[in-house]
Amino acid sequence: EAAVTQSPRNKVTVTGGNVTLSCRQTNSHNYMYWYRQDTGHGLRLIHYSYGAGNLQIGDVPDGYKATRTTQEDFFLLLELASPSQTSLYFCASSDRGQNNQAPLFGEGTRLSVL
Amino acid sequence: GDQVEQSPSALSLHEGTGSALRCNFTTTMRAVQWFRKNSRGSLINLFYLASGTKENGRLKSAFDSKERYSTLHIRDAQLEDSGTYFCAAVGYGNEKITFGAGTKLTIKP
Repeated sequence: EAAVTQSPRNKVTVTGGNVTLSCRQTNSHNYMYWYRQDTGHGLRLIHYSYGAGNLQIGDVPDGYKATRTTQEDFFLLLELASPSQTSLYFCASSDRGQNNQAPLFGEGTRLSVL
Repeated sequence: GDQVEQSPSALSLHEGTGSALRCNFTTTMRAVQWFRKNSRGSLINLFYLASGTKENGRLKSAFDSKERYSTLHIRDAQLEDSGTYFCAAVGYGNEKITFGAGTKLTIKP
């Protein structure tokens, strides 16, 4: 069954902390995305990738790094976490519309930076 | 960059009535997806369209790539329809998925 799995589902860290959010998709999709969602905003794109080793800059990339190690795995890195990065993070994957398949989204990771 | 303008930002309806949400796009988009955010914060996929219209129960969506808009119609609204609805559009070529800011829908008895 097609799926996008995020881990952890919840994370608390302190200002200046180092955090890695993980995303794995089992859909054989080429594209993967990381978003943050805050009250009053839609999901805002941080980074995305069209394949292993590739990285595309999104709309709100500051303070975030990302790495696509394999087709299945896309990681979001916060090396010096700040309270402004407290948010709900979503990962997604997409196959570029092949087979008219919709992009798939994970369940979200809630991050709190104290 | 690509922008998605979603309206209205908030909407209040009485049970049994209906209305429409709309997303306008600043550039031509390849496809659109509509979501509802559930009480746990997860995104529930409602529709994915590359063109035309789709209907599912009391919901109907339309997407016109050339005219750069999509709509989500709700009819016979029920209390459980309350929530925040998002549209997301997929850009041509770059496959960038851009979200609207959301519509907070409140259904009143």
